Amino acid sequence: DAKTTQPPSMDCAEGRAANLPCNHSTISGNEYVYWYRQIHSQGPQYIIHGLKNNETNEMASLIITEDRKSSTLILPHATLRDTAVYYCAAGNNRKLIWGLGTSLAVNP
Amino acid sequence: DAGITQSPRHKVTETGTPVTLRCHQTENHRYMYWYRQDPGHGLRLIHYSYGVKDTDKGEVSDGYSVSRSKTEDFLLTLESATSSQTSVYFCAITPSGRGDEQFFGPGTRLTVL
Repeated sequence: DAKTTQPPSMDCAEGRAANLPCNHSTISGNEYVYWYRQIHSQGPQYIIHGLKNNETNEMASLIITEDRKSSTLILPHATLRDTAVYYCAAGNNRKLIWGLGTSLAVNP
Repeated sequence: DAGITQSPRHKVTETGTPVTLRCHQTENHRYMYWYRQDPGHGLRLIHYSYGVKDTDKGEVSDGYSVSRSKTEDFLLTLESATSSQTSVYFCAITPSGRGDEQFFGPGTRLTVL
């Protein structure tokens, strides 16, 4: 099972892009990378996922390196409401291994 | 909101007592999960279910059992609660056709004294 590693905290200025890295160097070929976020003590919220190709949706973009050993979640224009803990998870077949999360503070 | 409720939302119990947490969903999703979340450990999968009476263990299943006799309910039981099981417990579901995307309930905060 893949293990994911994330920096514990990051800061970002409001309106700027937030780039959150995740290392998953042990990921296997059929394991996906997922990103979730958790605001306060609520349940985690799905953001985006990918296997090999870069992905974009209305919330964020996901950039996966060619060797798949790391990825970056990009919030293109961070707002104060994006302040949360962001989790990178890897896996498939219903079993995800979660990182410890990055606490993102978006500052005015 | 994926129609997931958890009960109770908060519980305080004593060591050695049995505890059952309930996860209820309203949309007949096949896949359901139980996680625990602890500082320094993040989210860890306890058990998951892929249908009525079909369950499998996650990475931290010792001390926990589950049952799913109806599609809508997934029960997590601590047969004899210990202080190490003090945690926040989250239930999640995966909607059909959504791969491994998981949608989470509001959580249950359990304290074992």
